[in-house]
Amino acid sequence: DSGVTQTPKHLITATGQRVTLRCSPRSGDLSVYWYQQSLDQGLQFLIQYYNGEERAKGNILERFSAQQFPDLHSELNLSSLELGDSALYFCASSVGWDWQLYEQFFGPGTRLTVL
Amino acid sequence: QQPVQSPQAVILREGEDAVINCSSSKALYSVHWYRQKHGEAPVFLMILLKGGEQKGHEKISASFNEKKQQSSLYLTASQLSYSGTYFCGTEVRAQGGSEKLVFGKGTKLTVNP
Repeated sequence: DSGVTQTPKHLITATGQRVTLRCSPRSGDLSVYWYQQSLDQGLQFLIQYYNGEERAKGNILERFSAQQFPDLHSELNLSSLELGDSALYFCASSVGWDWQLYEQFFGPGTRLTVL
Repeated sequence: QQPVQSPQAVILREGEDAVINCSSSKALYSVHWYRQKHGEAPVFLMILLKGGEQKGHEKISASFNEKKQQSSLYLTASQLSYSGTYFCGTEVRAQGGSEKLVFGKGTKLTVNP
């Protein structure tokens, strides 16, 4: 158990819908990262927040957005869902913002299925 | 931009050694290694920095060749628990100066008794 929690564990929805994935980082961690893992694309970095501010952006679609709240939990919002958005979404957390200094602890993931 | 990992898959017997390579076409600032077991989340193994500093696992070692823009992960005297998919992630400077981590497609390692 990494100490990172994600809800829900599974989510099944239809194309065109909007969903929200939630992540609570490890106690004391200020940085939150979101990743998408699909069979054909592998593990893709989406976005990083540090202490409430966006820190780095990866391959995040415009239909997706995220935020980190004052209590440091984070939410990833996915809208106008397409079949290709079906994937495992991981949240990770670390103490600091610097990629070079801090290991990331991954949560168990949310499996999203878009029908 | 995605680093290339080789081999894609490897099968070992317990006690054998393996090397997993990670190459990038871009200049590397750091290389991160993670292992993911089937149905589980990735778990941190190691960070390698320019200049040779390593942070990570006790029983697994790695190298980082800045000039060749590649890293190798060395698994010696493999144990059954080493089975899983190994990902390397390379820190890439994005436009605007921020950094992002780009992962390879993974190397699936199977250790048999």
